[in-house]
Amino acid sequence: ETGVTQTPRHLVMGMTNKKSLKCEQHLGHNAMYWYKQSAKKPLELMFVYSLEERVENNSVPSRFSPECPNSSHLFLHLHTLQPEDSALYLCASSQRASGNYNEQFFGPGTRLTVL
Amino acid sequence: RKEVEQDPGPFNVPEGATVAFNCTYSNSASQSFFWYRQDCRKEPKLLMSVYSSGNEDGRFTAQLNRASQYISLLIRDSKLSDSATYLCVVRPPGGGNKLTFGTGTQLKVEL
Repeated sequence: ETGVTQTPRHLVMGMTNKKSLKCEQHLGHNAMYWYKQSAKKPLELMFVYSLEERVENNSVPSRFSPECPNSSHLFLHLHTLQPEDSALYLCASSQRASGNYNEQFFGPGTRLTVL
Repeated sequence: RKEVEQDPGPFNVPEGATVAFNCTYSNSASQSFFWYRQDCRKEPKLLMSVYSSGNEDGRFTAQLNRASQYISLLIRDSKLSDSATYLCVVRPPGGGNKLTFGTGTQLKVEL
């Protein structure tokens, strides 16, 4: 398998549920990212991990909890979400976490609907 | 002023046409610039990086104008398969890991 994969591709959850999104990269990269893409809005960076260490948290509510157990896997744990959290959640990876022309490769995303 | 601003479109053009998009950015010290392409309900993919000297890749040409703080993307001989949303992406000063995305410009190429 190549590139960046995400599971599940679609998720519907209630506001009291707990669920997790999974991302896996097969590119040997050292940095991984979570983004949120809402309709008619630009991609918003949520979290950045470099070598399994969180290096950026973009003022994300605590109901979103990331986990990076190793450089190939990234999780986003979700609990007590709100309907406005419904969006496409994209995972990305890059060879390193800095550098001017450091391309980020995106996974296909998880389309999340919160009821 | 938005950090990265794009005309959302849609731009509807006939096959074979030449179309150009502009994108403006607010931070004059921004380090690097990209165009990503996003097909409907798919993930963004890097189309091309935009260097100070400009660059060309087949039918696609990207230019950077630092004085006026904009980047452009020119598509020649448009194909139906070029229909997508084109995202302007800017890396702020410091060359760190944060990319700032525009909302995208939608292109529809028609027969």
